[in-house]
Amino acid sequence: AQSVTQLGSHVSVSEGALVLLRCNYSSSVPPYLFWYVQYPNQGLQLLLKYTSAATLVKGINGFEAEFKKSETSFHLTKPSAHMSDAAEYFCAVIPGGGYQKVTFGTGTKLQVIP
Amino acid sequence: NAGVTQTPKFQVLKTGQSMTLQCAQDMNHNSMYWYRQDPGMGLRLIYYSASEGTTDKGEVPNGYNVSRLNKREFSLRLESAAPSQTSVYFCASSARAGGGNNEQFFGPGTRLTVL
Repeated sequence: AQSVTQLGSHVSVSEGALVLLRCNYSSSVPPYLFWYVQYPNQGLQLLLKYTSAATLVKGINGFEAEFKKSETSFHLTKPSAHMSDAAEYFCAVIPGGGYQKVTFGTGTKLQVIP
Repeated sequence: NAGVTQTPKFQVLKTGQSMTLQCAQDMNHNSMYWYRQDPGMGLRLIYYSASEGTTDKGEVPNGYNVSRLNKREFSLRLESAAPSQTSVYFCASSARAGGGNNEQFFGPGTRLTVL
């Protein structure tokens, strides 16, 4: 069975500092991986996705993530945090091989301190 | 192009009452999903429909039923609401189920309280 672990339910960074949100997955087959962002009182929207084309994936709003098979990780980073980045971030996995269901992590709330 | 729409936005029920949450998408997607979101638990899949005419259970289907009315619409029914079903419910759709192009588009959510 596949699973997703997000380390840290809350992360605080200063405006302009590096953002690092951690995601580790388990999957018996090569996975597809996603990061979604949820702003207050809204639904989720896609930030970026890994589909095996390239291990470093760039997304919207300056975010990127690197797929590391040896570490089973897909951490999300942004070089310089902006106040508008304050939101909840979810990592998600779909195993390959025709599997249909997405498994979401429990989410990490990012606070940006001015 | 409205994307994914959900009605109602808010609802308060008494224990034992029933209700149906409506969801529609205008992106011609094949697959649709219902999730619930609870603090500290992320999103949990209730039911999904990989294509029109099919539905399957997700992680937490007990107490819910679904209907894929047509390609656009996917409803979620609570037959006898319980306080444990207090949650925020999200509908989502994707071009197809599974695979790397399974980007899901989410509705704005329904905030349900069961007293």
